[in-house]
Order: sequence, then structure tokens, then C-alpha cells
Amino acid sequence: QQQVKQSPQSLIVQKGGISIINCAYENTAFDYFPWYQQFPGKGPALLIAIRPDVSEKKEGRFTISFNKSAKQFSLHIMDSQPGDSATYFCAARGTGANNLFFGTGTRLTVIP
Amino acid sequence: NAGVTQTPKFQVLKTGQSMTLQCAQDMNHEYMSWYRQDPGMGLRLIHYSVGAGITDQGEVPNGYNVSRSTTEDFPLRLLSAAPSQTSVYFCASSAGTLRGTQYFGPGTRLLVL
Repeated sequence: QQQVKQSPQSLIVQKGGISIINCAYENTAFDYFPWYQQFPGKGPALLIAIRPDVSEKKEGRFTISFNKSAKQFSLHIMDSQPGDSATYFCAARGTGANNLFFGTGTRLTVIP
Repeated sequence: NAGVTQTPKFQVLKTGQSMTLQCAQDMNHEYMSWYRQDPGMGLRLIHYSVGAGITDQGEVPNGYNVSRSTTEDFPLRLLSAAPSQTSVYFCASSAGTLRGTQYFGPGTRLLVL
């Protein structure tokens, strides 16, 4: 059972456009929602994260929007660049030592 | 700091063979973990350790063993490889538990024939 559902599986965006990746969860005990970025042949790296008491967090061109009542959160990449082409994973963390659950990933391709 | 390192980068095994995937970190992190990444499945936790001498199972532990004799090293052992274990394996470490930022290694691509 997938604890965090992520969509779309793949996304193609023109340079300068907005990329939007969505995630949903059911477990209300989750208290931290990170996004990881993974380039081909590399390990995932933390990109940005949000806590559920905040509705939005922005870091440069990357913004997380969080809707606690809907149990959904999304990553927005403004002014998308070819260098943003990567796989993005959302995740959700609960209590305990092993409670970090990842979405299935979104492969983003930004066309020049 | 080298961060999290993994060896080998790529390995081909025959069914039934055994091997050890190596993972080391130089950040003095207490928490280390192993994930496998499969298409359409995301990252799934195999085993984790909260400190030297302490390990526990994650979501998909069957077919894998781990040990943690030092803070720095956390090897993953496949005792009898199966084609279902064909995957990309990532080691990660964090200060404290999973509540800290996880730092991932570059991965080991394993093919079991």
C-alpha cells in the first residue's frame, strides 16, 4: 500500500514554464513533507521541505503548497530550466525511526 | 567530507550468488539506512540502523542482512541473490533518526541473472 501517492509519473515542460507535481497522503500523523531531487546516476538530494502548520514555503524558484485539510501537497517549479530535468520524489515522515515514505517519483523533462 | 560513499557502482550476479554492498559515511551520523529503487515503486526502506550495534527491518527486508559494527559503515548482504533483487540500491545517513535530513549515496546498480 502506497503511503504517499504522487502524480504525474512523467512531465514535459517548455523552458520558462511552470512545473507542478502533486502528492497526496492519508496518514494524519505525518508531520514533515520533504521533496527530493534526483539526477540520472546520482542519489536523491533534499530540495525543499515543509511542515503541516505552514501552507506554503518558497525557496528560489521552488515552492511547496500544502493543503492540510485535503491531505495534499505539491511542488511548483517556476521558470523551469533544462537543468531542472530530473526525477522528483515527495515524501512524508511520521513518528518513529523508520517512518519516511516516498512517492513513486516524477520524471521531469524541461525542453529548451 | 566525502559524504556517503557506496561500492560497487555496478554489479552483475548469478542467481544464488552472494555479495555485500558497501556503504560508508564520514559525517558521524548515527542513523543509516538502505533503500531499493525500482521503476514505479519509488524508494523503499530495506533495513536501517540507529547506531552501532543496532539494526532493524524496514518495509522490504526479506533476502537482505545488515550489521553495524562501526558508526561509519553499514554493509548490506545478499546471501542468495534472486532476479527479484535486481534494483538500484541507495544507502543514506542522517543525524539522529529519519527526522533529520537524509543524505544519499550515489547508488549501486545490481543485476541478478
